[in-house]
Amino acid sequence: EIVLTQSPGTLSLSPGERATLSCRASQSVSSSYLAWYQQKPGQAPRLLIYGASSRATGIPDRFSGSGSGTDFTLTISRLEPEDFAVYYCQQYGSSPRGTFGGGTKVEIK
Amino acid sequence: QVQLQESGPGLVKPSETLSLTCAVSGYSISSGYYWGWIRQPPGKGLEWIGSIYHSGSTYYNPSLKSRVTISVDTSKNQFSLKLSSVTAADTAVYYCARLVDRYLTDYWGQGTLVTVSS
Repeated sequence: EIVLTQSPGTLSLSPGERATLSCRASQSVSSSYLAWYQQKPGQAPRLLIYGASSRATGIPDRFSGSGSGTDFTLTISRLEPEDFAVYYCQQYGSSPRGTFGGGTKVEIK
Repeated sequence: QVQLQESGPGLVKPSETLSLTCAVSGYSISSGYYWGWIRQPPGKGLEWIGSIYHSGSTYYNPSLKSRVTISVDTSKNQFSLKLSSVTAADTAVYYCARLVDRYLTDYWGQGTLVTVSS
């Protein structure tokens, strides 16, 4: 069974700084079927990235995804105030499909 | 704009069946995409429960498969979730969603908290 581990658990940064979030899979994710979501308190998650590196509709280009196999990264080039949230990765290429990572909280330093 | 709205009891007794419905507006379920459910226990992460195509084909999380039924009513443009034999561990915010490729969600409902307690 594939397990996604996100690190760090919490990232403390200031607006304008660069954020680098990691998602590591216990086995290779087929066809780079890896997505990233953003969730703010009291809200449903929002799809940011799919296919490891494709931005979803309406997502600013300061968000970028990279990686393949077992190691994936979400990068926010310059943090805006509205980017402070929890971020989840999800794999949908390997059984059991649809599994999420435990999340990384990006908080204001 | 696609909109989804969950409805159903907010409190369910242990061992009973949790039942939720998701009403879809702004898009016809019959036109395509998958439709499904994701849950989030309070203060915890996300868990994909399952999805259904408008034709009725279903896909379930193996860990929940024995207790889950997802169905679709295209005439009402809505779909439903039933989770049987619930315990306190099933307490969560339940989200309905439109899914691309069965597992990848692009539109979400606002979520509804279901508490399992006697």
